[in-house]
Amino acid sequence: GENVEQHPSTLSVQEGDSAVIKCTYSDSASNYFPWYKQELGKRPQLIIDIRSNVGEKKDQRIAVTLNKTAKHFSLHITETQPEDSAVYFCAASIYNNDMRFGAGTRLTVKP
Amino acid sequence: DAGVIQSPRHEVTEMGQEVTLRCKPISGHNSLFWYRQTMMRGLELLIYFNNNVPIDDSGMPEDRFSAKMPNASFSTLKIQPSEPRDSAVYFCASSLGGGVDEQFFGPGTRLTVL
Repeated sequence: GENVEQHPSTLSVQEGDSAVIKCTYSDSASNYFPWYKQELGKRPQLIIDIRSNVGEKKDQRIAVTLNKTAKHFSLHITETQPEDSAVYFCAASIYNNDMRFGAGTRLTVKP
Repeated sequence: DAGVIQSPRHEVTEMGQEVTLRCKPISGHNSLFWYRQTMMRGLELLIYFNNNVPIDDSGMPEDRFSAKMPNASFSTLKIQPSEPRDSAVYFCASSLGGGVDEQFFGPGTRLTVL
């Protein structure tokens, strides 16, 4: 089955700096790669996703890149703000079935 | 839309007792997923349904766990008998299904087994 690895496990940045989180996956058949943000005590919420036929997608300060050959994808947050502090999870699946999550990255944005 | 609804939000029970967690997916969604989240193991997919039919239950830890979806608007996850290591937050999520689309998570049920 699919195996997703996520790095780093913790990330601390200064407000206004950029943050990058990286994930690798094992199943070359995976075609859907969402990123979820989970605040303390809350549910995971989708912030951005990318499908395998696209190499990059951007939504305001958030962008995701996908390298199918190397089987890795990354989340980029620019101009970070304190409210970006949360745990971020990457995931991979085949058509949204059997979704496997990375272990999570705890991002802290220091004001 | 009220989103995915889960009940109870918190459950405290004693070892050996039966626990039933409930989920109501978003109306019109055809896929439903049960996840378990712990510090040690992260977010784990337990089982998912498409059109009320269980598709993959390979994530269910053991025979003490069972899940049903009797209709499109209701699903249960049952643990019998419960054990302290079952303590976790259990999330239900739903999606439109049939392709690549967002999974919407419910608020979760925090289960504590003493």
